[in-house]
Amino acid sequence: AQTVTQSQPEMSVQEAETVTLSCTYDTSESNYYLFWYKQPPSRQMILVIRQEAYKQQNATENRFSVNFQKAAKSFSLKISDSQLGDTAMYFCAFMKQDSNYQLIWGAGTKLIIKP
Amino acid sequence: GAGVSQTPSNKVTEKGKYVELRCDPISGHTALYWYRQSLGQGPEFLIYFQGTGAADDSGLPNDRFFAVRPEGSVSTLKIQRTERGDSAVYLCASSLGRNTGELFFGEGSRLTVL
Repeated sequence: AQTVTQSQPEMSVQEAETVTLSCTYDTSESNYYLFWYKQPPSRQMILVIRQEAYKQQNATENRFSVNFQKAAKSFSLKISDSQLGDTAMYFCAFMKQDSNYQLIWGAGTKLIIKP
Repeated sequence: GAGVSQTPSNKVTEKGKYVELRCDPISGHTALYWYRQSLGQGPEFLIYFQGTGAADDSGLPNDRFFAVRPEGSVSTLKIQRTERGDSAVYLCASSLGRNTGELFFGEGSRLTVL
């Protein structure tokens, strides 16, 4: 069975700083996807970034980038030039390729951006 | 619609009552999912619909939980004889059906069982 672990329950940084959120996972699959979702107080989960395991290049989306280490089964999220609106819960998630879209989720990291 | 809509936003009920939670997915999305999220935890998969049929209901915790999607659009999650342990946020998500893994979520329905 797959598991996803987020070891940082809460993090806090000053606005404009860079912050890295950690995620590790365990799987015997070769083909899969990894995701970071953001959940602000509104409760709506929003996809931040997505990585296909077969791609060696790390995904980037504007201020958000990942450090994907397949051998180490590590998938960290880096947020550059953090903004107050980045304050939210961040969840790492795993999905097997050719699955029924069943996402396996970590417990989340609460990120607080201070002015 | 423009996004996934869930109603009610909040529901308070008494132990033993019946509740229905509704999800209206993004128009054209064939896949629909229900998740349950307890406080301080990540979402827990409940059920997945592809069209009108439940393709995977392995996450439903017991037979008090049931979900339908009769016309392949709106879905209703039904909980019978509610228990205090059912208190959680129930999240609905939809997707186009291609295996991209990108799900579009609603804002959830917070259920509180007293």
